[in-house]
Amino acid sequence: GAGVSQSPRYKVAKRGQDVALRCDPISGHVSLFWYQQALGQGPEFLTYFQNEAQLDKSGLPSDRFFAERPEGSVSTLKIQRTQQEDSAVYLCASSFSRGDRAFFGQGTRLTVV
Amino acid sequence: AQSVAQPEDQVKVAEGNPLTVKCTYSVSGNPYLFWYVQYPNRGLQFLLKYITGDNLVKGSYGFEAEFNKSQTSFHLKKPSALVSDSALYFCAVRDRGSTLGRLYFGRGTQLTVWP
Repeated sequence: GAGVSQSPRYKVAKRGQDVALRCDPISGHVSLFWYQQALGQGPEFLTYFQNEAQLDKSGLPSDRFFAERPEGSVSTLKIQRTQQEDSAVYLCASSFSRGDRAFFGQGTRLTVV
Repeated sequence: AQSVAQPEDQVKVAEGNPLTVKCTYSVSGNPYLFWYVQYPNRGLQFLLKYITGDNLVKGSYGFEAEFNKSQTSFHLKKPSALVSDSALYFCAVRDRGSTLGRLYFGRGTQLTVWP
């Protein structure tokens, strides 16, 4: 597609549920990033992939958060046993290389009730 | 540690007037600097970046930004604001020496341009 696509756009989860958020990067983009944006805050880095390799996961807030990109294209961010503090917009970004400008998707707004 | 400060939560200007959105940063090395804009229900859109060279960087939609190394600032400017410029603006930095490419964002500044 023409841009980074994320699905679903909105997700409401009951506390304790598992959720999976999908990101389709721009075709050919090697680098893929996940960010978390809480209300009224700037995006905070979660994790980074170069092709299928997860090179940096230092921003993942707990072991309930897991991300994968098995074939070096589509990526999934999974959150297990969701908590209220997980409520945020989750942004995916991709770039041709790590040094290039990043293109962002529209995000998935997760609300945990 | 890397950090970005946007000291103003809100900036309000009249259409046709110049605008400035402020950004200061703290990085351990020489940074790459970026401005992104976020419209409601849309993703972050790239405006401009500073890599090296001329301290005045020109970007999309008539925006420009001035890199000041001594003041560690990268303020976003536009000579004549439009109502359609009203949006949330984010400054971001990346450590030039990093092999990983992550961005560090400020909290954002809400720009309102009134007619």
